Amino acid sequence: QQQVKQSPQSLIVQKGGISIINCAYENTAFDYFPWYQQFPGKGPALLIAIRPDVSEKKEGRFTISFNKSAKQFSLHIMDSQPGDSATYFCAASIRAGFQKLVFGTGTRLLVSP
Amino acid sequence: GAVVSQHPSRVICKSGTSVKIECRSLDFQATTMFWYRQFPKQSLMLMATSNEGSKATYEQGVEKDKFLINHASLTLSTLTVTSAHPEDSSFYICSASDRGLSSQHFGDGTRLSIL
Repeated sequence: QQQVKQSPQSLIVQKGGISIINCAYENTAFDYFPWYQQFPGKGPALLIAIRPDVSEKKEGRFTISFNKSAKQFSLHIMDSQPGDSATYFCAASIRAGFQKLVFGTGTRLLVSP
Repeated sequence: GAVVSQHPSRVICKSGTSVKIECRSLDFQATTMFWYRQFPKQSLMLMATSNEGSKATYEQGVEKDKFLINHASLTLSTLTVTSAHPEDSSFYICSASDRGLSSQHFGDGTRLSIL
């Protein structure tokens, strides 16, 4: 129940294309869903986050789509760039910030030039 | 804003040595800090949660006598790996949060290599 399932494990997208990463959860008590970007040898950096009272949130080229009934959420990266090549983790928690995060397994994205 | 600094970034030491890793929140008061461990090409595994001034809460399977956590102030938490062995080699990452923040903010990690 505490798991967050993430797919795909790896993804190759051409420059300018759309990258889509999906996550699913079971625990309906989760009410905060952040996405993190991690470059090799660095800590994760918060990209964008959503709460279940909205179905979509957009920040620049990054969009989260949230389906509460299906208990799924996804990250869309529009106009993907080689600099977006990194590992992306979805996560979930009960209340934001100081509550512990449950991480997905990660998706390694490679954007080819 | 919300910068977390972790030090050292890399440490290599002999088996049996104890190693201390520092995690500092630079521009906010961290009510809660978290310590994670990450193996190559894997996700982050939460080791423990610490609140300022109280004992850390360890996740199941994490030896609290092996991984000592101190959160003595609102800007500093330390993780000490005691009597480290090669199997303790990993990437250790801290994160910090304040009740006013919307999410956890992560340090850049410490690569620990035990020879």
